[in-house]
Formats: sequence, C-alpha cells, structure tokens
Amino acid sequence: RKEVEQDPGPFNVPEGATVAFNCTYSNSASQSFFWYRQDCRKEPKLLMSVYSSGNEDGRFTAQLNRASQYISLLIRDSKLSDSATYLCVLNTGTASKLTFGTGTRLQVTL
Amino acid sequence: ETGVTQTPRHLVMGMTNKKSLKCEQHLGHNAMYWYKQSAKKPLELMFVYNFKEQTENNSVPSRFSPECPNSSHLFLHLHTLQPEDSALYLCASSQDIGTGSGYTFGSGTRLTVV
Repeated sequence: RKEVEQDPGPFNVPEGATVAFNCTYSNSASQSFFWYRQDCRKEPKLLMSVYSSGNEDGRFTAQLNRASQYISLLIRDSKLSDSATYLCVLNTGTASKLTFGTGTRLQVTL
Repeated sequence: ETGVTQTPRHLVMGMTNKKSLKCEQHLGHNAMYWYKQSAKKPLELMFVYNFKEQTENNSVPSRFSPECPNSSHLFLHLHTLQPEDSALYLCASSQDIGTGSGYTFGSGTRLTVV
C-alpha cells in the first residue's frame, strides 16, 4: 500500500459546485497533515493544515479521520481559479520530511 | 512573492556537463530540502539539511551532490546526468524539521538532460 493515496482525477466541475477530495494514508503514526495546491508548472503552495478537530478557511474545509486514516478537502462554491492539482501531504512526527501524494487534479469550468 | 528563490528556472544540459542549481531562502528558516518532481509521480525527497548539516540522503545517486554553506543557501551540483534525471527540481525550507510545520517552496528548476 502506498504511503499516501489520492484519486488523480481529473475532477471536472462547473463553477459554483461543491467538490470533495479524499486522501488515505498508511502510516498510523502520521501526526501532521496538510493540503497543498500546485498550479500547472508551478511550485506547490501550502493551502491549509489539517487538524484533528477539522478546520475551515473560507470556502475550504479540511477534515481528518484518524480511525480510518484519511483526510479530506471540501471546496464550496468552486471558482475558475480553484483549478489546480491538490496535494495531500503528511509528516510522520519525528521524521524530518513531508511525504506527498501524487495529487488530485481539479478543473472548474464555466 | 516566494521567500525561496531558485536559479536557474530552466536548464538544458548534456550528459557530460557539470552544472549547479542554486537555492536561497530569505525566511530565516533552519531547514532546507531538495525535492525531485517527475511527470505523474509524487514529489521525491532527495536531501535534507538542518542548520546547514545534512540529516538525510534519500538514496540519491552520487551524480547529484548537495552543498549547504549556510542555513540560507543550498546548492545541487549535477554531473554526468542521465536523460531520466530530467524533471522539476524543487527547493524548500521550513522553520525546523520534525515539527510538522509546512514548507515553503521555490519556483523550481526545470531540468532537461539531452
């Protein structure tokens, strides 16, 4: 099983739609979780951290389910500018590195 | 504007060339990283430096040689590369390692080996 698994997509949604991505991870010792956004041919940028209690930032909501070992990202009222690849990222505590998923591509259309 | 600057943005080199990638961070971070991103693959960690000391080498071939003269600068020296080494090379920094803080990435160097 891969350390981090994501559906590569693409998810094609109309503007204004709500879309959700899941990401599963295999290491139960993982302690820190993030969603990064990567635009085409650009570097990844931190979108939001994911906390056990769940967190919301505007139209974006992230959830963590430790029992089932997955995190999710919900985007409400999708905008054209949300089109990007969303990377699931986690850190396994004392490990000095972040592990990245392959990403889920989102395409928002008119 | 990113606090992590990478040069050059693009690089084409022959298999017998020697070149270097440069990364500089202006964020006062203590940790710096090199990642490789190939098409349809997740980012692969190459090297980790903490307070300019290498703490991790992720089984990277010796044709890639990192150098970290101080906490703000990181280099990746390239020598005798193969076409399969063509990829986007990303530098990142974080305040500390192992604390779960997010990384700030540079814009990357898109390398093509011919």
